[in-house]
Amino acid sequence: QVQIQQWGAGLLKPSETLSLTCVVNGGSFSGYYWSWIRQPPGKGLEWIGEINHSGSPNYNPSLKSRVTVSLDTSQTQFSLKMTSVTAADTAVYYCARWYSAGWDDGFDFWGQGTMVAVSS
Amino acid sequence: SSDLTQDPAVSVALGQTVRITCQGDSLRNFYASWYQQKPGQVPVLVIYGENNRPSEIPDRFSGSSSGTTASLTISETQAEDEADYYCNSRDSSGNHLVFGGGTKLTVL
Repeated sequence: QVQIQQWGAGLLKPSETLSLTCVVNGGSFSGYYWSWIRQPPGKGLEWIGEINHSGSPNYNPSLKSRVTVSLDTSQTQFSLKMTSVTAADTAVYYCARWYSAGWDDGFDFWGQGTMVAVSS
Repeated sequence: SSDLTQDPAVSVALGQTVRITCQGDSLRNFYASWYQQKPGQVPVLVIYGENNRPSEIPDRFSGSSSGTTASLTISETQAEDEADYYCNSRDSSGNHLVFGGGTKLTVL
């Protein structure tokens, strides 16, 4: 059974860099896309970006200038960095696996979520 | 504004059938996946592809699609089905993933 565990700093000041990491245990790491998703308090889900097993990233156009998603296949980890955070970046951040087989796809496994608050 | 549009709230009587919809141009070319999220919990995949359920999801959950609208149908709705439901697919460019705004389902 696939398990995804995530960690990172939960309290940041404006203009600092958000840094989160997920490690994947069980199942295959290669052959999948790995995504970051966030959810501001009381609001909906927002896709941030993804990276495939080859290390090619793909970002939400609205966040692309501030976001980097990277991969460490040797440790089955992937990470998110977001620069110049503001209060608007306060949210629960999730990492998730994107399952895709032909036209059948979806986020089938999720990390537990990390609450990140940005406050001076 | 989102590339995928959902009604903010829907209600259903206990034991009845409810349909939650998701509209977007990209749904002509891509299926939607659906997620259930209860307060304080991680989203859970309930439907993906044309109409596929993970093994742990009850068969009262089903999906369908027509034109620019994808639908999640819950039959014989139970009290435990009260949750927020999100659709997910590609954006209008087809190059990025996007979520709908979510639908809060209330079971009366």
